[in-house]
Amino acid sequence: DAGVIQSPRHEVTEMGQEVTLRCKPISGHNSLFWYRQTMMRGLELLIYFNNNVPIDDSGMPEDRFSAKMPNASFSTLKIQPSEPRDSAVYFCASSFPTGEEIFLAKNIQYFGAGTRLSVL
Amino acid sequence: SQQGEEDPQALSIQEGENATMNCSYKTSINNLQWYRQNSGRGLVHLILIRSNEREKHSGRLRVTLDTSKKSSSLLITASRAADTASYFCATSKGGSQGNLIFGKGTKLSVKP
Repeated sequence: DAGVIQSPRHEVTEMGQEVTLRCKPISGHNSLFWYRQTMMRGLELLIYFNNNVPIDDSGMPEDRFSAKMPNASFSTLKIQPSEPRDSAVYFCASSFPTGEEIFLAKNIQYFGAGTRLSVL
Repeated sequence: SQQGEEDPQALSIQEGENATMNCSYKTSINNLQWYRQNSGRGLVHLILIRSNEREKHSGRLRVTLDTSKKSSSLLITASRAADTASYFCATSKGGSQGNLIFGKGTKLSVKP
């Protein structure tokens, strides 16, 4: 398996532009997570999906951020309009906590390589 | 606020020495996990310990969990330069859809 695939790896854009980050989870995984990592705040959970349905988006900073998961193999995180303070590394992770895994508490997450976003 | 807090924030040791990192958390958990992040890479799962377990081993890794103190430790024995990375603890409350709460990590530097 190729693992979690994120694109692009690096994105440099100007303030006010729309940015779209993409993620392909591991095939068969039913949960998908978007994180943002900065030196100041560490790793923050933005939103996560289970079976393509958003479960908790309380970590999404503001209305400029939106995430979709149209099918089990693809998700996007969009920032519109982007601002310099959005500069960070954005990670996608997937997991497969089926009922048995939840019971056995084996909700291990598999991370992509991340997208480094710089908003100038 | 973060559920898990690692201590120390940074640790520098010589190759061959043992490295111990600690994690404290605030609320009840179902399991606690440790992840490693090499520079410029995503996080990689190392080991999971459930709330009813006290100690777990995996190769050169040893994890302990004290639920009464809400703390965990990760011990890396006989460290190698390749162990240089940031290490994060992550807690799970379970009974949910599988989300984890990560600490800010310990940056480990192993000098050859």
